[in-house]
Order: sequence, then C-alpha cells, then structure tokens
Amino acid sequence: DAKTTQPTSMDCAEGRAANLPCNHSTISGNEYVYWYRQIHSQGPQYIIHGLKNNETNEMASLIITEDRKSSTLILPHATLRDTAVYYCIVRVGTSGTYKYIFGTGTRLKVLA
Amino acid sequence: NAGVMQNPRHLVRRRGQEARLRCSPMKGHSHVYWYRQLPEEGLKFMVYLQKENIIDESGMPKERFSAEFPKEGPSILRIQQVVRGDSAAYFCASSPPFAGGTNEQFFGPGTRLTVL
Repeated sequence: DAKTTQPTSMDCAEGRAANLPCNHSTISGNEYVYWYRQIHSQGPQYIIHGLKNNETNEMASLIITEDRKSSTLILPHATLRDTAVYYCIVRVGTSGTYKYIFGTGTRLKVLA
Repeated sequence: NAGVMQNPRHLVRRRGQEARLRCSPMKGHSHVYWYRQLPEEGLKFMVYLQKENIIDESGMPKERFSAEFPKEGPSILRIQQVVRGDSAAYFCASSPPFAGGTNEQFFGPGTRLTVL
C-alpha cells in the first residue's frame, strides 16, 4: 500500500548534483512528503519535507510539482558519504495520529 | 541530548521462543513508532503509541505481536512464539508532542532479530 514510486537505483559522480525523483500521484491535499535516507543498515536519517512549496536546507532541496503528483530531491554536490538508500515518504493521517508510509527507496551510489 | 536508543542491537532466538525489543525515545518525546524491515525492502509501519495508549496498530500482525509504552520506562515490542519469518530489522522512532508543526520522526539504530 505504498503511496510513492521511486527508481530502484541511481549512480551519480562525486561533486555533481544528484536528482532523485519520486511519484506520489495519489497524495491527498494535506499529506506531506518527507525524505529520509538509510546508510548501510542504520536507522533512517531525516533529510527534508514539504507540502507544496519548494524547500531547501543545509542538506538538500525539495522540488514539488504544482499538481503535487511528484517531487525531486536534489543533493547539490554529492559526496561518497551520500551513498545510501533514499526513501520518499508520504505522511498520512489526521492531527495527532500521523504515520509514515515508506516506499521501496532509491539506492544511490556516488562514484569517485 | 541522546538519540533514540534500542536494545538489544542483535537478538537471536530459536523458533517458539519469545523476543522482547526495547525502545527508549528521545527526551521529551511522547510518541513512539515501530517499523519492520525485511532484507532489501523498505520499512513497514507496525504500530504507533503514545504514553499508555495504542493509537494505531494497523500494521501489526493479528497474532503473536504486541506493543506497549508504559507511563514509566521504554516501549516494548513483544513477539511470542517466534518463527523464521519474523527475522528482520525492527526500528523504533520517536517524535515530540504535536504542536501544529510537522514533527519529523527520529529513528533508533534498530534491533536485528534472527530466528534459528
């Protein structure tokens, strides 16, 4: 019952921007999009989230299409340490009862 | 501020035994979530708890699995009569009380359960 679709894997050259796409065509109007990453088998690490506006923080940028059916996570200058599985997540629920629905993730490999 | 803590990190059980997984949320966090991850798969939501209450257990198997988050102490995920198919990584996450924001969840390092 995943609400997101992501490519299985991607490669990116070190120092270049990594653009990770995600489709969430069934997203509802009040459901946020979150991105996490999982390095090796560690616990997932929060990256960024958004509702409809583009967002940027020290780690990444999140571009959400106007119809909200898809988004792209951008790592502006990928390093070898960014090699990980990146999960696009839809947060569902109502106030006080939210939960994450994980997708299958994109395995990003940053190449030297 | 210590992060989410889980123990044990690795747990080996024989079929039919019980497994108890513990999760201590971050200080000030009153919401706990449990997820299961099978090899090469994404995380699957299991249960969401607040202090002394189960809010959403829609992802919990109907039998053998239970979870609690008592007023004092860690949250416990309990699996009775384990079977080989229970072998997985179990992650706990916590978040602070909702205050109109979009509180992200902070994940622990996980417990890797192996059933022999």
